[in-house]
Amino acid sequence: AQTVTQSQPEMSVQEAETVTLSCTYDTSESNYYLFWYKQPPSRQMILVIRQEAYKQQNATENRFSVNFQKAAKSFSLKISDSQLGDTAMYFCAFTDNAGNMLTFGGGTRLMVKP
Amino acid sequence: KAGVTQTPRYLIKTRGQQVTLSCSPISGHRSVSWYQQTPGQGLQFLFEYFSETQRNKGNFPGRFSGRQFSNSRSEMNVSTLELGDSALYLCASSSGGRNIPTSEQYFGPGTRLTVT
Repeated sequence: AQTVTQSQPEMSVQEAETVTLSCTYDTSESNYYLFWYKQPPSRQMILVIRQEAYKQQNATENRFSVNFQKAAKSFSLKISDSQLGDTAMYFCAFTDNAGNMLTFGGGTRLMVKP
Repeated sequence: KAGVTQTPRYLIKTRGQQVTLSCSPISGHRSVSWYQQTPGQGLQFLFEYFSETQRNKGNFPGRFSGRQFSNSRSEMNVSTLELGDSALYLCASSSGGRNIPTSEQYFGPGTRLTVT
């Protein structure tokens, strides 16, 4: 069974600074997908960024980028120019079958301070 | 396009009762997945339906069941409620089937179930 681990339960960052959230996973599959989801206080889960394991290039979405290290089974999220609206729970998630059965990490609570 | 909708948003039930939650996916999406979110266990996959068939199932007791209708709307049912079933139940829809790499999941706002 796949497992996803987020080792940082809580983090904080000053507005406009950069922060990196860590995620490691365990799988024997060679083809899979990784995601970062954001869950603000409203509880609505929002997809932040995704990465296909067969792509070597790290995914980027505006201020959000990932550092995908397949051999190390590591998938960290970097948020640049942090904004107050980035305050939320962030979940790392894994799937090996085209995205329809996600395994989530325990989450990292990020607080952006003014 | 309208997003994923879930009804009701909040629900209070008593131990031993049963409950039905509803999820309407984004128009055109054929896959609906259900997740349970609790402070202790985090986010856990319940089951997934695709074209009215259960395609994947998580590790939950048989008290948890679901179905999907021809219009892709899905319901999940929990019978003989226990205090531990109190949770946020999230529904997610996606467009693709298996082996289609673009099938990102879009989540609804959730149903907050409280069992007393």
